[in-house]
Amino acid sequence: QVQLQESGPGLVKPSQTLSLTCTVSGASISNADFYWNWIRQHPGKGLEWIGYIYYSGNTYYNPSLKSRVSISIDTSKNQFSLELSSVTAADTAVYYCARTTVWFGEAYWGQGALVTVSS
Amino acid sequence: QSVLTQPPSVSAAPGQKVTISCSGRNSNIGDHYVSWYQHLPGTAPKLLIYDNNKRPSGIPDRFSGSKSGTSATLGITGLQTGDEATYYCGTWDNSLSAGVFGGGTKLTVL
Repeated sequence: QVQLQESGPGLVKPSQTLSLTCTVSGASISNADFYWNWIRQHPGKGLEWIGYIYYSGNTYYNPSLKSRVSISIDTSKNQFSLELSSVTAADTAVYYCARTTVWFGEAYWGQGALVTVSS
Repeated sequence: QSVLTQPPSVSAAPGQKVTISCSGRNSNIGDHYVSWYQHLPGTAPKLLIYDNNKRPSGIPDRFSGSKSGTSATLGITGLQTGDEATYYCGTWDNSLSAGVFGGGTKLTVL
């Protein structure tokens, strides 16, 4: 059974870059059947898809965040990472990593990491 | 406001059945499979249903899914207190070029 675990700073200052890493176990991140996603949930709100990366390094981002998002992959460590630049308080959220199939199906999720943007 | 529309809350007594609806458009539910997730605070959202009506290994057959046109439905029978959670539907949207979710439905087992 695949397991995903988010890690990274829980507090980021405004205008800085939020960085999180997702470590995958129980499955190879190089498997061509899957896509590796970042999703977030603002406090008390619904879920927002941020983007995904494929094992080849191809990425696809939510158009609403595209200018600030970068997702990368390290197949040697079975990890993928999120960077979100120029953060504001509106980026405070629980950030989840998840594995999906094509067209955003069948997601298996990590437990989530709370990131607070505050000075 | 979420792209997919779910009722904010539903409730039923233990042992009863409940259904949760998820309404969308041709560009999302109308053109793609729907997945359903169960979310308890502080835990990883759990996959209950994928490809509209398939259950992953380990998910009891009390949980079922269906899709018709631009709407999908999650059904839960034999309700248990442990089913109290927030349930989300999700799929891809061609117009937005993004993964999309419903706003979540909080299930209360009275």
